Amino acid sequence: ETVLTQSPGSLSVSPGETATLSCRASQSVDTKLAWYQQKPGQAPRLLIHGASTRATGVPARFSGYGSGTEFTLIISSLQSEDSAVYYCHQSKHWPPITFGQGTRLEIK
Amino acid sequence: QVQLVESGGGVVQPGRSLKLSCAAAGFSFSSYALHWVRQAPGKGLEWVGLISYDGNNIYYGDSVRGRFTISRDNSKDIVFLQMDSLRPEDTAVYYCSRGDPATHTVSDFWGQGALVTVSS
Repeated sequence: ETVLTQSPGSLSVSPGETATLSCRASQSVDTKLAWYQQKPGQAPRLLIHGASTRATGVPARFSGYGSGTEFTLIISSLQSEDSAVYYCHQSKHWPPITFGQGTRLEIK
Repeated sequence: QVQLVESGGGVVQPGRSLKLSCAAAGFSFSSYALHWVRQAPGKGLEWVGLISYDGNNIYYGDSVRGRFTISRDNSKDIVFLQMDSLRPEDTAVYYCSRGDPATHTVSDFWGQGALVTVSS
């Protein structure tokens, strides 16, 4: 099973600033890495797939980078609505498809 | 627009069974793989399984294999999750999601979820 480790576990950032979220895979997943956003009481929403391709309707403030075992989600010009838990997800080595444990982002 | 609506959740005793349904609309259902993903209270996301567009290929996560069964009815645009021998650790919100058209393995649209509570 491919384990995804996200860091930090939580972070607090001011509006207008930039947040950097990391995801490390236990083995190379090439670019088979996606990012999801989940707000309280809501279903997850796909943000990024293929490590760097934004899903339909996702603002350009969200950018994904990386390949192999190291990935980054950068959210610029943070807004209050960006408060959420963010999960990475790999589908290179499956089954099982695996998720990271999540990073909680607070906009203070 | 794409819609996925889960139903069938509720409270069930350990060892009993429950069947979830997920009704789809707004896309060509028979062309897409469907996933089930669950989330225990206050916890992260766990992949449960996937059924291919035609139902011929089904895959499960280790924690549910042999107890859960995924099926689909392409004539009615519905996917099912039959859960047998339920355990307290199966308590979670269960989401169905659509597999992306390119790889089938990325969940590009999600339902709102159905809560399953396993408790005596």
